[in-house]
Parts: sequence; C-alpha cells; structure tokens
Amino acid sequence: KNEVEQSPQNLTAQEGEFITINCSYSVGISALHWLQQHPGGGIVSLFMLSSGKKKHGRLIATINIQEKHSSLHITASHPRDSAVYICAVPPPYGGSQGNLIFGKGTKLSVKP
Amino acid sequence: DSGVTQTPKHLITATGQRVTLRCSPRSGDLSVYWYQQSLDQGLQFLIQYYNGEERAKGNILERFSAQQFPDLHSELNLSSLELGDSALYFCASSADGGRTDTQYFGPGTRLTVL
Repeated sequence: KNEVEQSPQNLTAQEGEFITINCSYSVGISALHWLQQHPGGGIVSLFMLSSGKKKHGRLIATINIQEKHSSLHITASHPRDSAVYICAVPPPYGGSQGNLIFGKGTKLSVKP
Repeated sequence: DSGVTQTPKHLITATGQRVTLRCSPRSGDLSVYWYQQSLDQGLQFLIQYYNGEERAKGNILERFSAQQFPDLHSELNLSSLELGDSALYFCASSADGGRTDTQYFGPGTRLTVL
C-alpha cells in the first residue's frame, strides 16, 4: 500500500506570501497528482507530473522521484487561493489501474 | 466546469434505504471512478470502470454496487444505508483509465443519512 503524507495540515498566510505544500509517498510511482478542493466541495485537477517541474500561472509543482517527494508552490498568494490542496498517487502494484490514493490534504487560508 | 456531471447534488434519506447516484463522464472519456469523501476517512477510492467493465475495486462495501452502461454513464447504488454512509461521493472520468491519466472530477453528490 502506498502511504501519502502531506505537510502542513493547515496553513495560514498573508496575501502575497510564497507558499509551499509538501507531499511524500512510500512506494515508487508513475505519476503524482495535485488537486484543489474549493470550500464548496468541488475538486479540480491542478497538475499531474512524473518528473521535474510544471508551472501553471502562479502555481508550480515539482517532484523528486528518487526522494519520493513533491512540492506545490504558490507565488504571490491571494485569498482566492484559499482551498484544500490534496496530493494523490496511483497504487503501487502493476497493471493499468488508474485509481488514486490520497493524502489528507493541506487546508490553506490566505488572509487579505 | 470539468465536463463531468453528477446527479443529484444533494440527497437526504433515512437509514435502511437505498439510493442511486448517477455520473456522466466527459465526452470521449472511457473510464469512470467513484470516490467517497467522509470527514474521518478523507477521500477514498471505491471502484473504477473502463468501457463498461470493472477495472479496479477499492474500499467498496458489499452493500454498494456500481455499473457503467453502454453509453458510458455510471451509477453507484448504495443500499441498507447507515449513518456512517453520509459523505460526499465524487465521480471522476479519464480518457483511458491509465496510471498517468488526468482525472476530471464531477461536482459531487452530498449524501446525508438520517
């Protein structure tokens, strides 16, 4: 079973701050997902990455496969970034299954 | 808007009852996933279908069943409901259900069992 650990669990930031959320997993994977869950409950896929770094607007995701670690960075944070950020990985066994194992999420609150 | 639709948005029912949740995947996606999100367990995978066939099974109770129809929509049936089944149920879809597919989530169905 792949264990997914996120830190911190809760994060409060001031608008404009640089934010980092971390994710570690126990077993090698083919890809890692970062998801965003808004206060209303909806889930949006932010990134899927298997190596290196990806950038979308003010969001940057990095992954180190050897260290089994990924980070999600938010530059120039804004109150609308307030959400729960969830890291997810596929299961460690082989085969074609694409289901995900989720971390417990990091609740981010950005104050104006 | 992810393109994945789920109905109903909210469902309130009593213990012992049976409900059906419905999901329509994004146009062109062949794989559908069902996830449950409860306060104490977080997000958990229930079951995955690909082009009408079950592909993977997670922590799905025997009281729960699902299927994917020829038009690719999927239904999750929950029976003999218990208080602990109260949760958000998400459906997601992806192009071919593989390990590196991006999954697109529906808005969820909030189930309350009283």
